[in-house]
Amino acid sequence: KAGVTQTPRYLIKTRGQQVTLSCSPISGHRSVSWYQQTPGQGLQFLFEYFSETQRNKGNFPGRFSGRQFSNSRSEMNVSTLELGDSALYLCASSLDPSGGWVIETQYFGPGTRLLVL
Amino acid sequence: ILNVEQSPQSLHVQEGDSTNFTCSFPSSNFYALHWYRWETAKSPEALFVMTLNGDEKKKGRISATLNTKEGYSYLYIKGSQPEDSATYLCAFIRAGGTSYGKLTFGQGTILTVHP
Repeated sequence: KAGVTQTPRYLIKTRGQQVTLSCSPISGHRSVSWYQQTPGQGLQFLFEYFSETQRNKGNFPGRFSGRQFSNSRSEMNVSTLELGDSALYLCASSLDPSGGWVIETQYFGPGTRLLVL
Repeated sequence: ILNVEQSPQSLHVQEGDSTNFTCSFPSSNFYALHWYRWETAKSPEALFVMTLNGDEKKKGRISATLNTKEGYSYLYIKGSQPEDSATYLCAFIRAGGTSYGKLTFGQGTILTVHP
C-alpha cells in the first residue's frame, strides 16, 4: 500500500505570494492532519479534516486554510506569505473508520519544504 | 496551552549502550500518547500508541512505558545501533471533543549512536 504523498516536495516563494500544498493520504484513510515544523517551534498542529469537514484547528492565523476533497485528498493554502512561514509542512493520515475520535496511528508524509524569500 | 516536554534534548551514546529518554505531559485529561522516530530526510515513523496507565509496549530493542497518573512516559533502547540515530518524538492527545487529529508534540530527543 502506498504511503502518504505530498507535493511539491520543495517550494520557493516570495513574501506576499500565496501557496497551495497537496497531500494524498493512504488509500482508505479518511482523516488528514497538517503540521508545521520550524526549528524554534517544533511540530505544530495546523488543522484536521475528516469527510471534507474541518474538525479541529490549531492556533494559526486565518492566512492558513485547508480543504479536503471527497477522495480524502487534502490541500492547504497559505495566503500573503511571510518570511516566518518558511518551514517544513507535514501531513498525516489515519483510518478513523467510525467518524469519531479513536486512537489511531497517524502516518506521515515526507513533507513539503517551503522557503519564503 | 498543553506542555509536552522531552529530555534530554540530545544524547550521544556508543554502539551497544542502552539508553532511555523521558516525555512529560499533562496528567489530567489524558487520552493517548504516541512515540515517533524521525530519521533525517524521512517521514516520522510511528513506534507506539499508548493509552492505559502502566502500559508497556515493545518493538524489537525499543520499549516504552506509560504513567498517566504522574504524566510521563519512558522510551528505552537496548543495545543501541548506529541505525537508531534519529529524533525521537512523543505526542500527546488530550481527551475531549476538540482533540480530533491533534497531536501535541514535544521538541524531541536527538539520539546519535557512534560506532
